[in-house]
Amino acid sequence: QQQVKQSPQSLIVQKGGISIINCAYENTAFDYFPWYQQFPGKGPALLIAIRPDVSEKKEGRFTISFNKSAKQFSLHIMDSQPGDSATYFCAASPQGGSEKLVFGKGTKLTVNP
Amino acid sequence: DAGVIQSPRHEVTEMGQEVTLRCKPISGHDYLFWYRQTMMRGLELLIYFNNNVPIDDSGMPEDRFSAKMPNASFSTLKIQPSEPRDSAVYFCASTTAWVRYTGELFFGEGSRLTVL
Repeated sequence: QQQVKQSPQSLIVQKGGISIINCAYENTAFDYFPWYQQFPGKGPALLIAIRPDVSEKKEGRFTISFNKSAKQFSLHIMDSQPGDSATYFCAASPQGGSEKLVFGKGTKLTVNP
Repeated sequence: DAGVIQSPRHEVTEMGQEVTLRCKPISGHDYLFWYRQTMMRGLELLIYFNNNVPIDDSGMPEDRFSAKMPNASFSTLKIQPSEPRDSAVYFCASTTAWVRYTGELFFGEGSRLTVL
């Protein structure tokens, strides 16, 4: 069964700290791993994504680390800011297509000023 | 450019009533998805369309749910009869055939449904 497990469910970080969210998957057919960010009252929006042939991808303060052998990937938010407070979803997509995109259950991040 | 437009944004109804949620995808997008979001189950894919044709409805919870896409610019998700356990936020999302290889879905702002 296709599944993506995400932890923690909630996370509180001080301004300037590092936020780390972890995800694990089971289906080796997954080959595209996006992260979505959702603000209250809004729909999720693509934040950053990675393919399994790359072990790390960085965009500004956001970094995805990918461990193919362990079937795990994580999102690191450096220098976390109050404006980063949102719910973050990891996801996985089989064979490069966004059809059947499978989402983790989400992590609610709160960055205190 | 206008994003995905959903209506209504909020709907409160009583058990047994029919509920219709509406979605206008981004112009030019040929894939449309309906998701349901709850605290317990997270984001669940209900059904998706390609070129107005339903491709996979395996996520539709039961026969009370139905979805249609009569043309490229409009889709509906109907629940009849509604039950309290249907209370959730329903999202519509769209994408194009080439964008899908980047995994990017463009979501609407959602329709929050409360069934009393």
